[in-house]
Amino acid sequence: EVQLLESGGGLVQPGGSLRLSCAASGFAFSSYTMGWVRQAPGKGLEWVSAIRAGGDITSYAGSVKGRFAISRDNSKNTLYLQMDSLRAEDTALYFCTKYPCSGSGCQNYFDYWGQGTLVTVSS
Amino acid sequence: DIQMTQSPSTLSASIGDRVTITCRASQNVNSWLAWYQQKPGKAPNLMIYKASTLESGVPSRFSGSGSGTEFTLTITSLQPDDFASYYCLQYNNYATFGQGTKVEIK
Repeated sequence: EVQLLESGGGLVQPGGSLRLSCAASGFAFSSYTMGWVRQAPGKGLEWVSAIRAGGDITSYAGSVKGRFAISRDNSKNTLYLQMDSLRAEDTALYFCTKYPCSGSGCQNYFDYWGQGTLVTVSS
Repeated sequence: DIQMTQSPSTLSASIGDRVTITCRASQNVNSWLAWYQQKPGKAPNLMIYKASTLESGVPSRFSGSGSGTEFTLTITSLQPDDFASYYCLQYNNYATFGQGTKVEIK
């Protein structure tokens, strides 16, 4: 059974940093693209970032580019999101997501989601 | 960036009703479109991908159609478990969600 367990959320001041983690199990983590999607309280879904299976190719939404960094440790089956220069508008529930495959030709939708970790940016 | 416009924002329906939700893309996304169901306090759940392919385990009353810039999600006979929010997702170019449709009890 695929399981994605996020951690690392919390309250942080504007301009601060936070590192989210996602522990994956139940599948061959190193073979799949992984990503993050967020949802502000009472709002819709927003794709944040993705990283290919080998960790060599990353992509970001324009709203976080230059401030967030996605990475992965395939030896630990863990995905990360380093969030710097946080703003109030980054307040959201952050979901870890799994893609159905990796590499060119892969359909880039999300087939599994974690339950999310809440990030609140406020003074 | 590709914008996704979903309608309606809210839909009131009764058990047994046929329900249709529309998603329009600001440019051609071919068939690279998925639909998700989300219940309050839960993560989204994949329902359909590649515009019309039903995810394993999803009831056959759900169906998707369309290509290019216009897509629909149809529920042929609404059941109590279907009251939720629904989101479309284009993944032709990065990923963009529609703003969501809340299906509520009439």
